[in-house]
Amino acid sequence: ELKVEQNPLFLSMQEGKNYTIYCNYSTTSDRLYWYRQDPGKSLESLFVLLSNGAVKQEGRLMASLDTKARLSTLHITAAVHDLSATYFCAVDSGYGGSQGNLIFGKGTKLSVKP
Amino acid sequence: GAVVSQHPSWVICKSGTSVKIECRSLDFQATTMFWYRQFPKQSLMLMATSNEGSKATYEQGVEKDKFLINHASLTLSTLTVTSAHPEDSSFYICSAARSTPTTYEQYFGPGTRLTVT
Repeated sequence: ELKVEQNPLFLSMQEGKNYTIYCNYSTTSDRLYWYRQDPGKSLESLFVLLSNGAVKQEGRLMASLDTKARLSTLHITAAVHDLSATYFCAVDSGYGGSQGNLIFGKGTKLSVKP
Repeated sequence: GAVVSQHPSWVICKSGTSVKIECRSLDFQATTMFWYRQFPKQSLMLMATSNEGSKATYEQGVEKDKFLINHASLTLSTLTVTSAHPEDSSFYICSAARSTPTTYEQYFGPGTRLTVT
């Protein structure tokens, strides 16, 4: 059974600081997703990571995937208040070209303070 | 592209009544749609996978007779919460899957907040 663990679950940062959110998963998968959720809203897709060593960057966020370690990271550079939200990673339970279900981590609630 | 809509965005109903939620992929065809439930301050939990033209596949612990899913066309799936009770109050989010030769991704609807009184 695929399990996805995120840490930390809560993160309070000061503006301008850097931090990393970690996402570990328990079984082989070759598709990992990062989403952002604002309070009362649905999910906004941030990154789709499809292969080992994949690295994607958008603004102050950078995501990477290490399929051998079954680990993805979401790195925040020089945080700003607008990044305050809950971030979820999700892993596709399918493998080898087949698509399965998305298994979500518990989410990391990020709060960026002045 | 890849827009998914949900209707209604919020609904309040009385205990014992039924509520239907619609999920539409607006600019692509989705052979597979997914229904999730999210309780406050928790993650998304998959309820069921909806395939066009066939019966939905429910996750363990989800009552198929209570949560009726119909995937009427390649752009529409509906979730009906029958005989709703206060414990069914939650945020329901659908997603529609789009496959291309190079990628596969689920696109999420804006969610429906259900409150059962």
